[in-house]
Amino acid sequence: EDQVTQSPEALRLQEGESSSLNCSYTVSGLRGLFWYRQDPGKGPEFLFTLYSAGEEKEKERLKATLTKKESFLHITAPKPEDSATYLCAVQHSSASKIIFGSGTRLSIRP
Amino acid sequence: ETGVTQSPTHLIKTRGQQVTLRCSSQSGHNTVSWYQQALGQGPQFIFQYYREEENGRGNFPPRFSGLQFPNYSSELNVNALELDDSALYLCASSPLLAIDNEQFFGPGTRLTVL
Repeated sequence: EDQVTQSPEALRLQEGESSSLNCSYTVSGLRGLFWYRQDPGKGPEFLFTLYSAGEEKEKERLKATLTKKESFLHITAPKPEDSATYLCAVQHSSASKIIFGSGTRLSIRP
Repeated sequence: ETGVTQSPTHLIKTRGQQVTLRCSSQSGHNTVSWYQQALGQGPQFIFQYYREEENGRGNFPPRFSGLQFPNYSSELNVNALELDDSALYLCASSPLLAIDNEQFFGPGTRLTVL
Protein backbone atom coordinates (compact mmCIF):
# COMPACT_ATOMS: atom_id res chain seq x y z
CA GLU A 1 0.00 0.00 0.00
CA ASP A 2 1.27 3.47 -0.90
CA GLN A 3 2.41 5.34 2.21
CA VAL A 4 4.14 8.56 3.25
CA THR A 5 5.76 9.10 6.66
CA GLN A 6 7.24 12.41 7.74
CA SER A 7 9.65 13.05 10.61
CA PRO A 8 10.01 14.71 12.96
CA GLU A 9 6.40 15.65 13.75
CA ALA A 10 7.59 18.98 15.13
CA LEU A 11 10.90 20.83 15.02
CA ARG A 12 11.91 23.97 16.83
CA LEU A 13 15.02 25.79 15.62
CA GLN A 14 16.80 28.98 16.44
CA GLU A 15 16.97 31.54 13.64
CA GLY A 16 19.98 30.67 11.46
CA GLU A 17 20.14 27.04 12.67
CA SER A 18 20.05 24.80 9.59
CA SER A 19 18.30 21.41 9.62
CA SER A 20 16.52 18.82 7.48
CA LEU A 21 13.01 17.37 7.35
CA ASN A 22 12.53 13.76 6.27
CA CYS A 23 9.87 12.16 4.10
CA SER A 24 9.93 8.37 3.72
CA TYR A 25 7.66 6.91 1.08
CA THR A 26 6.46 3.60 -0.29
CA VAL A 27 4.85 3.68 -3.71
CA SER A 28 4.82 1.12 -6.50
CA GLY A 29 5.74 3.46 -9.32
CA LEU A 30 6.44 7.10 -8.51
CA ARG A 31 5.01 9.76 -10.78
CA GLY A 32 6.18 12.61 -8.58
CA LEU A 33 7.03 13.61 -5.01
CA PHE A 34 5.76 16.98 -3.88
CA TRP A 35 6.62 19.38 -1.08
CA TYR A 36 4.06 21.91 0.11
CA ARG A 37 4.08 24.54 2.83
CA GLN A 38 0.94 25.18 4.89
CA ASP A 39 0.42 28.18 7.15
CA PRO A 40 -2.24 28.03 9.89
CA GLY A 41 -5.76 28.52 8.53
CA LYS A 42 -4.63 28.38 4.89
CA GLY A 43 -4.42 25.85 2.12
CA PRO A 44 -1.08 24.24 1.19
CA GLU A 45 1.26 26.22 -1.05
CA PHE A 46 3.31 24.38 -3.68
CA LEU A 47 7.09 24.35 -3.25
CA PHE A 48 8.69 21.58 -5.36
CA THR A 49 8.10 18.49 -7.48
CA LEU A 50 10.81 15.82 -7.72
CA TYR A 51 10.52 13.02 -10.28
CA SER A 52 13.52 10.72 -10.01
CA ALA A 53 16.21 9.64 -7.55
CA GLY A 54 19.14 12.01 -7.48
CA GLU A 55 17.09 15.04 -8.42
CA GLU A 56 17.49 18.24 -6.39
CA LYS A 57 15.60 21.54 -6.44
CA GLU A 58 16.20 24.80 -4.59
CA LYS A 59 14.15 27.83 -3.70
CA GLU A 60 15.58 30.54 -1.49
CA ARG A 61 16.59 28.83 1.81
CA LEU A 62 14.98 25.50 0.87
CA LYS A 63 16.50 22.58 -1.00
CA ALA A 64 14.67 19.32 -1.72
CA THR A 65 16.42 16.06 -2.59
CA LEU A 66 15.09 12.63 -3.57
CA THR A 67 16.29 9.03 -3.25
CA LYS A 68 14.42 5.83 -4.09
CA LYS A 69 12.96 5.63 -0.59
CA GLU A 70 12.98 9.12 0.90
CA SER A 71 13.14 12.83 0.33
CA PHE A 72 14.74 15.53 2.42
CA LEU A 73 13.83 19.17 2.70
CA HIS A 74 16.92 21.03 3.80
CA ILE A 75 16.46 24.46 5.29
CA THR A 76 19.53 26.67 5.46
CA ALA A 77 19.80 29.60 7.90
CA PRO A 78 16.03 29.71 8.49
CA LYS A 79 14.15 32.86 9.43
CA PRO A 80 11.02 33.18 11.61
CA GLU A 81 8.90 33.57 8.47
CA ASP A 82 9.86 30.01 7.50
CA SER A 83 7.71 28.77 10.39
CA ALA A 84 4.93 26.59 8.94
CA THR A 85 3.88 22.98 8.48
CA TYR A 86 5.75 21.31 5.63
CA LEU A 87 3.85 18.56 3.83
CA CYS A 88 5.27 15.83 1.62
CA ALA A 89 3.09 13.97 -0.89
CA VAL A 90 3.50 11.29 -3.57
CA GLN A 91 1.57 10.48 -6.71
CA HIS A 92 1.42 6.99 -8.17
CA SER A 93 2.44 6.69 -11.79
CA SER A 94 -0.94 5.32 -12.88
CA ALA A 95 -3.33 7.27 -10.68
CA SER A 96 -4.59 10.75 -10.03
CA LYS A 97 -4.60 10.13 -6.26
CA ILE A 98 -2.02 12.08 -4.26
CA ILE A 99 -1.07 10.77 -0.81
CA PHE A 100 0.07 13.25 1.81
CA GLY A 101 2.10 12.70 4.94
CA SER A 102 1.04 14.20 8.25
CA GLY A 103 3.55 17.01 7.97
CA THR A 104 6.35 18.51 10.05
CA ARG A 105 5.50 21.58 12.11
CA LEU A 106 8.53 23.85 11.89
CA SER A 107 8.98 26.71 14.34
CA ILE A 108 11.85 29.19 14.02
CA ARG A 109 12.64 31.31 17.08
CA PRO A 110 14.12 34.80 16.57
CA GLU B 1 -5.21 36.09 -12.17
CA THR B 2 -7.53 35.10 -9.33
CA GLY B 3 -6.64 32.11 -7.19
CA VAL B 4 -8.79 29.20 -6.04
CA THR B 5 -11.73 30.33 -3.94
CA GLN B 6 -13.98 28.27 -1.69
CA SER B 7 -17.29 28.93 0.02
CA PRO B 8 -18.42 29.06 2.68
CA THR B 9 -15.45 29.71 4.94
CA HIS B 10 -17.00 28.03 7.95
CA LEU B 11 -20.06 25.82 8.35
CA ILE B 12 -21.77 24.15 11.30
CA LYS B 13 -24.12 21.22 10.71
CA THR B 14 -25.72 18.54 12.82
CA ARG B 15 -25.33 14.80 12.42
CA GLY B 16 -27.46 13.37 9.65
CA GLN B 17 -27.72 16.60 7.66
CA GLN B 18 -26.41 17.17 4.15
CA VAL B 19 -23.88 19.79 3.08
CA THR B 20 -22.65 21.30 -0.20
CA LEU B 21 -19.25 22.97 -0.45
CA ARG B 22 -18.22 25.06 -3.45
CA CYS B 23 -14.97 25.74 -5.23
CA SER B 24 -14.05 28.11 -8.05
CA SER B 25 -10.95 26.97 -9.87
CA GLN B 26 -8.13 29.22 -10.91
CA SER B 27 -8.58 30.61 -14.42
CA GLY B 28 -7.37 28.16 -17.08
CA HIS B 29 -7.45 25.14 -14.78
CA ASN B 30 -9.53 22.17 -15.90
CA THR B 31 -8.77 19.67 -13.14
CA VAL B 32 -10.06 19.96 -9.58
CA SER B 33 -9.38 17.72 -6.59
CA TRP B 34 -11.01 17.66 -3.17
CA TYR B 35 -9.28 16.78 0.08
CA GLN B 36 -10.32 16.30 3.71
CA GLN B 37 -7.85 17.50 6.33
CA ALA B 38 -8.40 16.55 9.97
CA LEU B 39 -6.69 18.60 12.65
CA GLY B 40 -2.97 17.83 12.81
CA GLN B 41 -3.07 15.54 9.78
CA GLY B 42 -2.19 15.86 6.13
CA PRO B 43 -4.88 16.23 3.48
CA GLN B 44 -6.64 13.02 2.40
CA PHE B 45 -7.64 12.67 -1.24
CA ILE B 46 -11.41 12.41 -1.73
CA PHE B 47 -11.72 12.55 -5.55
CA GLN B 48 -10.64 14.39 -8.66
CA TYR B 49 -12.67 15.77 -11.57
CA TYR B 50 -11.34 16.35 -15.07
CA ARG B 51 -13.56 17.85 -17.75
CA GLU B 52 -16.67 17.23 -15.64
CA GLU B 53 -15.93 13.50 -15.13
CA GLU B 54 -14.67 11.81 -11.97
CA ASN B 55 -11.04 10.89 -12.58
CA GLY B 56 -10.00 9.00 -9.46
CA ARG B 57 -11.36 8.47 -5.96
CA GLY B 58 -9.84 7.90 -2.54
CA ASN B 59 -11.14 5.71 0.28
CA PHE B 60 -14.32 7.68 0.98
CA PRO B 61 -17.87 6.25 1.05
CA PRO B 62 -20.45 7.03 -1.65
CA ARG B 63 -22.12 9.62 0.56
CA PHE B 64 -19.24 11.86 -0.55
CA SER B 65 -20.08 12.97 -4.09
CA GLY B 66 -19.06 15.75 -6.41
CA LEU B 67 -19.74 17.72 -9.54
CA GLN B 68 -17.66 19.78 -11.92
CA PHE B 69 -19.37 22.37 -14.10
CA PRO B 70 -18.51 23.54 -17.64
CA ASN B 71 -16.77 26.60 -16.20
CA TYR B 72 -14.61 24.14 -14.16
CA SER B 73 -16.07 25.21 -10.82
CA SER B 74 -16.91 22.30 -8.54
CA GLU B 75 -19.08 21.13 -5.67
CA LEU B 76 -18.52 18.59 -2.92
CA ASN B 77 -21.66 17.08 -1.44
CA VAL B 78 -21.72 15.07 1.76
CA ASN B 79 -24.89 13.26 2.82
CA ALA B 80 -25.81 11.83 6.21
CA LEU B 81 -23.13 13.78 8.04
CA GLU B 82 -21.22 12.04 10.80
CA LEU B 83 -19.23 13.56 13.66
CA ASP B 84 -15.98 12.33 12.04
CA ASP B 85 -16.72 14.43 8.96
CA SER B 86 -15.66 17.50 10.95
CA ALA B 87 -12.55 18.75 9.15
CA LEU B 88 -11.08 21.31 6.79
CA TYR B 89 -12.16 20.59 3.22
CA LEU B 90 -9.69 21.74 0.60
CA CYS B 91 -10.16 22.19 -3.09
CA ALA B 92 -7.15 22.21 -5.43
CA SER B 93 -7.00 22.97 -9.14
CA SER B 94 -4.41 22.17 -11.77
CA PRO B 95 -3.82 23.64 -15.22
CA LEU B 96 -3.94 21.52 -18.35
CA LEU B 97 -0.21 21.93 -18.85
CA ALA B 98 1.16 22.05 -15.32
CA ILE B 99 4.90 22.61 -15.43
CA ASP B 100 5.55 20.61 -12.30
CA ASN B 101 2.24 18.79 -11.90
CA GLU B 102 1.54 21.22 -9.11
CA GLN B 103 -1.84 21.86 -7.54
CA PHE B 104 -3.12 25.22 -6.36
CA PHE B 105 -5.13 25.02 -3.16
CA GLY B 106 -7.95 27.18 -1.93
CA PRO B 107 -8.16 28.35 1.69
CA GLY B 108 -10.60 25.59 2.60
CA THR B 109 -13.99 25.28 4.26
CA ARG B 110 -14.01 24.41 7.95
CA LEU B 111 -16.92 22.03 8.57
CA THR B 112 -18.05 21.27 12.12
CA VAL B 113 -20.59 18.49 12.68
CA LEU B 114 -22.35 18.52 16.04
